[in-house]
Amino acid sequence: QVRLEQSGPEVKKPGASVKVSCKTSGYTFTSYGVTWVRQAPGQGLEWMGWISPFNGDTKYVDKMKDRVTMSTDTSTSTAYLEVKSLTFDDTAVYFCARDARGDELLHWGQGTLVTVSS
Amino acid sequence: DIQMTQSPSTLSASVGDRVIITCRASQSSSRWLAWYQQKPGKAPKLLIYQASSLQDGVPSRFSGSGSGTEFTLTISSLQPDDFASYYCQQYHSHPYTFGEGTKLEIK
Repeated sequence: QVRLEQSGPEVKKPGASVKVSCKTSGYTFTSYGVTWVRQAPGQGLEWMGWISPFNGDTKYVDKMKDRVTMSTDTSTSTAYLEVKSLTFDDTAVYFCARDARGDELLHWGQGTLVTVSS
Repeated sequence: DIQMTQSPSTLSASVGDRVIITCRASQSSSRWLAWYQQKPGKAPKLLIYQASSLQDGVPSRFSGSGSGTEFTLTISSLQPDDFASYYCQQYHSHPYTFGEGTKLEIK
């Protein structure tokens, strides 16, 4: 079965960077895009961006594109999200998700809590 | 960017009620619209894709309709497991924006 297993919680200081991993299994990694979505405490879902493991194409939300890098490692079927220059507003649960037949998000990781605290 | 506006933001209802959640797009997203259910501490779950297609395994009391800029999610007879938050998402053009969410509470 399809699984997306994310890395554990992180606590970072303002200005630092964080890299979250999303290890996939149960399907051909290069056949589906990976999307990253975040959710601040008590808030709604925010689409951050998408990457194609097939060719590395990326789409980022404009407000974060200067601080966010999405990447993949096809040898381990793992996707990565790096966020630089963290601020308190980046405190959130970060989810990876896999496309379904279209671009709707069918399979999700369990989420990774990133806390930015001084 | 396409802005998605959901209403209501909170909805109080009882088991057995029929409820409708509305999602409006700031510009046409054709039928590229999905609905998700999220429970506290959990990842979202896909309910409806392409505006009206029911994801496999989702109970038939859930249905979606609409196209262009107006979409609805209907739950025909609320069950205790349905009390959760619901989000729409357009995937017509990047960035694939979500609505602000609707929290469905027990009356």
